[in-house]
Amino acid sequence: AQSVTQLDSQVPVFEEAPVELRCNYSSSVSVYLFWYVQYPNQGLQLLLKYLSGSTLVESINGFEAEFNKSQTSFHLRKPSVHISDTAEYFCAVSDRGSSASKIIFGSGTRLSIRP
Amino acid sequence: KAGVTQTPRYLIKTRGQQVTLSCSPISGHRSVSWYQQTPGQGLQFLFEYFSETQRNKGNFPGRFSGRQFSNSRSEMNVSTLELGDSALYLCASSLGAVPGELFFGEGSRLTVL
Repeated sequence: AQSVTQLDSQVPVFEEAPVELRCNYSSSVSVYLFWYVQYPNQGLQLLLKYLSGSTLVESINGFEAEFNKSQTSFHLRKPSVHISDTAEYFCAVSDRGSSASKIIFGSGTRLSIRP
Repeated sequence: KAGVTQTPRYLIKTRGQQVTLSCSPISGHRSVSWYQQTPGQGLQFLFEYFSETQRNKGNFPGRFSGRQFSNSRSEMNVSTLELGDSALYLCASSLGAVPGELFFGEGSRLTVL
């Protein structure tokens, strides 16, 4: 069975500092991997995704994540955070082989930015 | 292009009542999924509908049900409400081509008293 572990429930960082949000998954098959972001009082938005090809994927607002198959990880990074990045971030995995799969979300990491 | 619309945004019910939540997906999206979000349990998958058929279901009791109409709009119903059903219920739509590529609504926040 698939599972997703986000190792940190909360990550406080100072503005303009770098940040890494950790995500590990377990699956017996090939997977698609996603990061979603939830701003306060809103639904989730897709931030970036790994489907195939380059293992390094980027978002339009400066986040990047790298798929590491040997370590079964998909950590999210940003070299310099902004106050507007304050949100909860969810890592998610889905089964590559099935068109009717359940998408499994991690428990979320709350990123708080200090000025 | 309009996003995913969920109604109502907020509602308060009492134990034992039932509730129906509605979701209108993005035009052209045939897959609609429902999730329950609570502080303690995080995001939990309820069910997914594709072309009016339930094609996946999470581990929730039978009090939770759903359906999808021919225009892809979906409803979920919770009967005999319990205090623990208080949560943010999120609907997500997708084309269904790539599992996991979801577009979420802002949610319906249900409070059970």
